[in-house]
Amino acid sequence: GAVVSQHPSRVICKSGTSVKIECRSLDFQATTMFWYRQFPKQSLMLMATSNEGSKATYEQGVEKDKFLINHASLTLSTLTVTSAHPEDSSFYICSARGRAASYEQYFGPGTRLTVT
Amino acid sequence: AQKVTQAQTEISVVEKEDVTLDCVYETRDTTYYLFWYKQPPSGELVFLIRRNSFDEQNEISGRYSWNFQKSTSSFNFTITASQVVDSAVYFCALTAVPDTGRRALTFGSGTRLQVQP
Repeated sequence: GAVVSQHPSRVICKSGTSVKIECRSLDFQATTMFWYRQFPKQSLMLMATSNEGSKATYEQGVEKDKFLINHASLTLSTLTVTSAHPEDSSFYICSARGRAASYEQYFGPGTRLTVT
Repeated sequence: AQKVTQAQTEISVVEKEDVTLDCVYETRDTTYYLFWYKQPPSGELVFLIRRNSFDEQNEISGRYSWNFQKSTSSFNFTITASQVVDSAVYFCALTAVPDTGRRALTFGSGTRLQVQP
């Protein structure tokens, strides 16, 4: 199956700093990428949808100025958590969908963010 | 609006027991896809199955089987002869076609399965 990578897998940062998470589709072109957030013992919640070359669409309640999403190429989307706070500590998972795949989504392995 | 309900928060069984994880969904769309994912402690989602709304045939894959019933909007997952390695959180998910073109998945709250040796 298709492969999606995320980097870093784990990151610890200090409160007030910014963190960038990369999501790459390794063997296919991803026209759409999704960013999900999962708090401990909870489900995955969609944060935003990004289409290559256009602005991301954010879900209600997700601050677009805090969670900056860039999908500059067909194989890379980045999520930057700006001015991170402890409540942003979570597991962030991206998924990618290619042109040909019929509603198939390929998930990355996730990034565990801890803000101290 | 779409919704996926997994009423079982946590299930504990003894190895070799059969276990069924329930999933009930809501959608106004006539065409949709249902999924099951496994999330082991590592966190990475493992795809198990995808079923479209027009295919109500039950499916069996090794010890796994799925029962899709449109009449009750349910897509239940059964593990036969459970093993310790089956211990994980299992998520049921739904995406509708079309859904404003975004096609993100709506996840249920997950069921944590613990298989005791």
